[in-house]
Amino acid sequence: SQQGEEDPQALSIQEGENATMNCSYKTSINNLQWYRQNSGRGLVHLILIRSNEREKHSGRLRVTLDTSKKSSSLLITASRAADTASYFCATDRTTDSWGKLQFGAGTQVVVTP
Amino acid sequence: NAGVTQTPKFQVLKTGQSMTLQCAQDMNHNSMYWYRQDPGMGLRLIYYSASEGTTDKGEVPNGYNVSRLNKREFSLRLESAAPSQTSVYFCASSDDRGFAIYTEAFFGQGTRLTVV
Repeated sequence: SQQGEEDPQALSIQEGENATMNCSYKTSINNLQWYRQNSGRGLVHLILIRSNEREKHSGRLRVTLDTSKKSSSLLITASRAADTASYFCATDRTTDSWGKLQFGAGTQVVVTP
Repeated sequence: NAGVTQTPKFQVLKTGQSMTLQCAQDMNHNSMYWYRQDPGMGLRLIYYSASEGTTDKGEVPNGYNVSRLNKREFSLRLESAAPSQTSVYFCASSDDRGFAIYTEAFFGQGTRLTVV
């Protein structure tokens, strides 16, 4: 079974708007990561947040982590057409051998000009 | 920098045929992974290798074998392909900079495999 579940499954916004997607997971983690996948391409790492961190920023990206609720959110501010992609959260669980990332099913984001 | 290189990019197999997917990374990473991606399912871990000479099963290992040839290379073998193995396969690698401080994973471009 998958560890992470993203919500919503799909998101359609206009350029300039903010995009928010959420990830919930089931078991305790070492860290949570967000990846982007453009159509037909491999995954690209966006940001990693460790279990003892609550918020992290990288450019137009803001990630929060609430370990008590076992959830994370990814905010993309001032979205651009180039942000059109699928976004996945991945967790590194404490119950697994180190480094076994578990991925969710992803959120498909479409940004229209 | 090449990063993670997978070959081939596309492959069509007949049921029962065998093939090996190749993966190589040039980042001196210890950890390497094979995932499969199916529509609506996200990525599921097939096998994992923490270091040269070690491998570990992931979530969906049945029907696959792996070989960590050396630190750079991690191959995935389908001994007798089945239509259920039609998928996009991704190889990835990551560094381990100490206990519980794994960094991000770097992915190859994927192999689109169709089994007919």
